[in-house]
Amino acid sequence: NFMLTQPHSVSESPGKTVTISCTGSSGSIASNYVQWYQQRPGSAPTTVIFEDNQRPSGVPDRFFGSIDSSSNSASLTISGLKTEDEADYYCQSFDSSDRGVFGGGTRLTVL
Amino acid sequence: QVQLVQSGAEVKKPGSSVKVSCKASGGTFRTYTTTWVRQAPGQGLEWMGGIIPILGTANYAQKFQGRVTITADESTSTAYMELSSLRFEDTAVYFCARELGGIFDPWGQGTLVTVSS
Repeated sequence: NFMLTQPHSVSESPGKTVTISCTGSSGSIASNYVQWYQQRPGSAPTTVIFEDNQRPSGVPDRFFGSIDSSSNSASLTISGLKTEDEADYYCQSFDSSDRGVFGGGTRLTVL
Repeated sequence: QVQLVQSGAEVKKPGSSVKVSCKASGGTFRTYTTTWVRQAPGQGLEWMGGIIPILGTANYAQKFQGRVTITADESTSTAYMELSSLRFEDTAVYFCARELGGIFDPWGQGTLVTVSS
């Protein structure tokens, strides 16, 4: 089964840059696009990156998505951290049977 | 602009079934996938399955095969997720979301299902 693995938590200070990784268990992570979702407590997730590195309208350009085929991983980088960025972040893709797959989620703390 | 509104919270006994609805407004309901994702308390997101009404067939996560049924009523633009043989560990918030081009967006507000004796 295809799985996506994320760090459980990351923390960084306001104004700094943080990167959250998402590593594929098998095959090539580049085979299907990766999305990133932000989820604040008590709310549904919202999209911050789609198709590996595209930002929906309204998402600031401080959010950057990338793929590294050599490490079979995707990354979400957030620069100029703000306290409002504190949330859970999930990567998501699909397996070879078109079944959705989420990473375990990463809690970002901005302190 | 697609909006998804889900049915209200449910409390169910172990062994019973629950059926959650997700009514869509805006967009063309029959041509996109409505996906179901659940989130147990304090846990991550878990993909359960999805359905494209125009095709009429659903795709399910292996974990839920045989226990989950996802259907869609085009006449009311409503998708349904029914989970049977409920266990305590099925206590979770169940979300529906539109899937278009691999992206889950937008999402419904979530429905809390509590399994309790």
